[in-house]
Amino acid sequence: AQSVAQPEDQVNVAEGNPLTVKCTYSVSGNPYLFWYVQYPNRGLQFLLKYITGDNLVKGSYGFEAEFNKSQTSFHLKKPSALVSDSALYFCAVRDSTGGFKTIFGAGTRLFVKA
Amino acid sequence: DGGITQSPKYLFRKEGQNVTLSCEQNLNHDAMYWYRQDPGQGLRLIYYSQIVNDFQKGDIAEGYSVSREKKESFPLTVTSAQKNPTAFYLCASRSGPGGGYTFGSGTRLTVV
Repeated sequence: AQSVAQPEDQVNVAEGNPLTVKCTYSVSGNPYLFWYVQYPNRGLQFLLKYITGDNLVKGSYGFEAEFNKSQTSFHLKKPSALVSDSALYFCAVRDSTGGFKTIFGAGTRLFVKA
Repeated sequence: DGGITQSPKYLFRKEGQNVTLSCEQNLNHDAMYWYRQDPGQGLRLIYYSQIVNDFQKGDIAEGYSVSREKKESFPLTVTSAQKNPTAFYLCASRSGPGGGYTFGSGTRLTVV
């Protein structure tokens, strides 16, 4: 069965510092991995995805994520945080072998302090 | 611009009432999904549809129903059998096997 874990409910970081939001996953086949961001009372917005190829993927708003197969992780990173990055972040996984269901983590709330 | 439109943004339901949430997309996507979001629980899948006139139950389908008569439309009905319907409902579509989701802006349903 597929599952996603985001071990931190909340991450606090100062503006200008690097940020990391953690995600680990479990899937029977090869994973498709995604990160989404949600602002208050809005739908989720797609940030980036890993399908195949380079383990480091770059996405919107300066975010990037590193796929680590041995650790089954897909951590979201940004070199320099902005106050406007404060939001709820979701990691998601889908089995690449014909899966139609995407499983979402519980979300991590990011606070960036000025 | 292409996207997903959900309406209404806010909806209030009385006890014993059925209500229907609208979801329309102009992205020409085959797959569409309904998720429920509760605080601290992430997103839980209610129903999904891969093609027109076909849909499957997700993890929490009890008390909900859907239809997919047109590619563009995937309405969700919250029936009186759903005992705890207060939540934020999100509709999404996907372009292909490796594609990410495009989400609507959501409908917040409250029981009064």
